[in-house]
Amino acid sequence: EAQVTQNPRYLITVTGKKLTVTCSQNMNHEYMSWYRQDPGLGLRQIYYSMNVEVTDKGDVPEGYKVSRKEKRNFPLILESPSPNQTSLYFCASTKGLWDNEQFFGPGTRLTVL
Amino acid sequence: LAKTTQPISMDSYEGQEVNITCSHNNIATNDYITWYQQFPSQGPRFIIQGYKTKVTNEVASLFIPADRKSSTLSLPRVSLSDTAVYYCLVGDGDSSYKLIFGSGTRLLVRP
Repeated sequence: EAQVTQNPRYLITVTGKKLTVTCSQNMNHEYMSWYRQDPGLGLRQIYYSMNVEVTDKGDVPEGYKVSRKEKRNFPLILESPSPNQTSLYFCASTKGLWDNEQFFGPGTRLTVL
Repeated sequence: LAKTTQPISMDSYEGQEVNITCSHNNIATNDYITWYQQFPSQGPRFIIQGYKTKVTNEVASLFIPADRKSSTLSLPRVSLSDTAVYYCLVGDGDSSYKLIFGSGTRLLVRP
């Protein structure tokens, strides 16, 4: 089944404790993104990747890192999480660079205390 | 950076046609305009995308004028299950690989 998977689905952590949210897609898609969704602010792009080893900042990249060592995986890294990073995070993938039909993962709800 | 504007909410009744408009400026000139549907606790789901004029699929139509400064999602004969949040998505005119979502329109369909 074609899908985007994220892990963990739920995470409660404390300020400053490094964490990684994994994202994997099995559709051989080139373009992958991370978004955060907050009440009243909608979905905002954090980082995106056009292909392996090619990543760039989205609208709200501060406090996040990403890597794209393999085409299928696009982990989101919070080196030192803070409470303002409490949010719902979505990973998404798209077949090609000019195709905006994105496939979204189920989301990761992160709480930073 | 591209800017988008959508109505915060809309109400409708079953069987009616619903039109949701997104205004957008400074969008990528060679990128699609795309619309998504989102239910609570789920990721957004693709509905339709287009570049110019009108596109229709089995669930919706999308109207985009020649200046591409807006787009209108049309849902024919809505049902209760169409109650959801609808987002437009555009490519940023300053960096077209960057994608900008609208703020979302909460559609409530009443019986």
